[in-house]
Amino acid sequence: DTAVSQTPKYLVTQMGNDKSIKCEQNLGHDTMYWYKQDSKKFLKIMFSYNNKELIINETVPNRFSPKSPDKAHLNLHINSLELGDSAVYFCASSQEKGPRGNTIYFGEGSWLTVV
Amino acid sequence: DQQVKQNSPSLSVQEGRISILNCDYTNSMFDYFLWYKKYPAEGPTFLISISSIKDKNEDGRFTVFLNKSAKHLSLHIVPSQPGDSAVYFCAASLIYNQGGKLIFGQGTELSVKP
Repeated sequence: DTAVSQTPKYLVTQMGNDKSIKCEQNLGHDTMYWYKQDSKKFLKIMFSYNNKELIINETVPNRFSPKSPDKAHLNLHINSLELGDSAVYFCASSQEKGPRGNTIYFGEGSWLTVV
Repeated sequence: DQQVKQNSPSLSVQEGRISILNCDYTNSMFDYFLWYKKYPAEGPTFLISISSIKDKNEDGRFTVFLNKSAKHLSLHIVPSQPGDSAVYFCAASLIYNQGGKLIFGQGTELSVKP
């Protein structure tokens, strides 16, 4: 069983479209995250939620909106997609609100390509 | 401004030899450091960590060294095995850990040749 699963794994879409990436974790964790791996390969945190409450909101364009219907799900909605949004997006989860990293479990990533 | 940097994008090592992956950081408020390993088409997985109060942590073939004065850490893999071929990310956490935020480097791709 996949602990943190993301869908879709690959997504190619046109500029201006609105798309969503879904994430689900079956580990019973309270905290979920979205990280983005950009073209320079850095992994950067975008958002974190704890029990459906937003904890971290980095400097991300407001075209990106996370939605957490319950603590097992954290979806990422992106409006008006731009070329620069092309990246790999990783969902992750952890038990604690502020773990020391070793308890963060990552999903396999969603490859978004905007054309 | 990247606070965690891995200046070697790739490293090639012969099987059985030592692999040394390096990481530099700029923020003296980092108090916990981690290494993650990533295979293609998979998410990063935790490998080993070290607190800033230590200078060495060992787990089997993996050892992480921390030099706070130089703001430098390294991961040693001895002996290297072909299955170690992956991308290795260095990451750091701030003292107050801002809700689980990790700051990653850009990764070093290790290739271990038989």
